[in-house]
Amino acid sequence: NAGVMQNPRHLVRRRGQEARLRCSPMKGHSHVYWYRQLPEEGLKFMVYLQKENIIDESGMPKERFSAEFPKEGPSILRIQQVVRGDSAAYFCASSPSQNTGELFFGEGSRLTVL
Amino acid sequence: AQSVSQHNHHVILSEAASLELGCNYSYGGTVNLFWYVQYPGQHLQLLLKYFSGDPLVKGIKGFEAEFIKSKFSFNLRKPSVQWSDTAEYFCAVNPTGTASKLTFGTGTRLQVTL
Repeated sequence: NAGVMQNPRHLVRRRGQEARLRCSPMKGHSHVYWYRQLPEEGLKFMVYLQKENIIDESGMPKERFSAEFPKEGPSILRIQQVVRGDSAAYFCASSPSQNTGELFFGEGSRLTVL
Repeated sequence: AQSVSQHNHHVILSEAASLELGCNYSYGGTVNLFWYVQYPGQHLQLLLKYFSGDPLVKGIKGFEAEFIKSKFSFNLRKPSVQWSDTAEYFCAVNPTGTASKLTFGTGTRLQVTL
């Protein structure tokens, strides 16, 4: 049973470009969470999605960031017009149901903006 | 909004020493509490969790944590650490019934020397 798969593991972008991070949850999991970890900080919640629905996006910056979890395919975190401050590790996690409390994490995608 | 404090940012211990990592949270209602561990080069994984019942929780690899409601604390302990326990440890909390949207502390980096 494969775990949460994230790709790419490392992504380098220049300022103004777009970054797309993908996350395939564990088999049987329909709840996906995205977290961001800035240097020397803990993981910060960004967004919680179920298939085709954004449930909670209270942690998402208001501009340039978007997320989706289509009916088919992985969840995608999209960052438009990246800036240096977007450099961080982005972690995806999944869970089988809403209130188990336990999240299964991917290995993260490290974004570097030059 | 809830918050989590981990006061020890970096801890260095010799093998066989006892470990206690502090975790305090702020939230007025009932919470679920978690400790996650991230070994070098790996994804975060659940170490142990507390939902209700016995406040002394036992997890994997000999770790345990005690929930002290009056102190808003959930400290992690291990009687005798091993070199393989070298990792980063994250405490997390979510209010009961609010899905799996976790609030994380900033993490404690544990280094165990031989």
